[in-house]
Amino acid sequence: DQQVKQNSPSLSVQEGRISILNCDYTNSMFDYFLWYKKYPAEGPTFLISISSIKDKNEDGRFTVFLNKSAKHLSLHIVPSQPGDSAVYFCAASDSDGLTFGKGTHLIIQP
Amino acid sequence: NAGVTQTPKFRILKIGQSMTLQCTQDMNHNYMYWYRQDPGMGLKLIYYSVGAGITDKGEVPNGYNVSRSTTEDFPLRLELAAPSQTSVYFCASRGGSVPDTQYFGPGTRLTVL
Repeated sequence: DQQVKQNSPSLSVQEGRISILNCDYTNSMFDYFLWYKKYPAEGPTFLISISSIKDKNEDGRFTVFLNKSAKHLSLHIVPSQPGDSAVYFCAASDSDGLTFGKGTHLIIQP
Repeated sequence: NAGVTQTPKFRILKIGQSMTLQCTQDMNHNYMYWYRQDPGMGLKLIYYSVGAGITDKGEVPNGYNVSRSTTEDFPLRLELAAPSQTSVYFCASRGGSVPDTQYFGPGTRLTVL
């Protein structure tokens, strides 16, 4: 039973437009949510996070939104750049550690 | 700082062979983790450690063993390799100013034939 779900295996966005990646979770005990970015043949790298007591966190072109009542979070990238093409993992934290989604492959089209 | 380093980058094993995947971090982090990632899947936790001398099982520990004799090193041992252990293995350590942020190594791609 997946506790963290990323329902879009891939997403294609034009350069300069907004990319929106979505993530749903089922465990209401998760207290922190993180996004990781992964290039081929490399390990995941931390991108941005949000505490469960907040509803928005912004860092440059990246903004994460959390809707606790819907158990949903999203990552917005504005404007999208070619270097943003990668696999993005949503992860959620509780006392057992991190639970990862399956990832969304973001492709930025020129 | 080199961060988290893993060796080897690639390895092919025959069924029944054993090997140790090495992981070292130079950030003085107490928490260290081993994950595996199968194609099209998220990362699954194999084992973790909260400090030297302390290890615990994660979601998928069967077929693996770990040890943590120092803060820096967290090797993962595969005994009697099986085709189901074909995967990419990532080591991570936890620390930094953001709670629960884990820093990952570049991974080891293991194939068992």
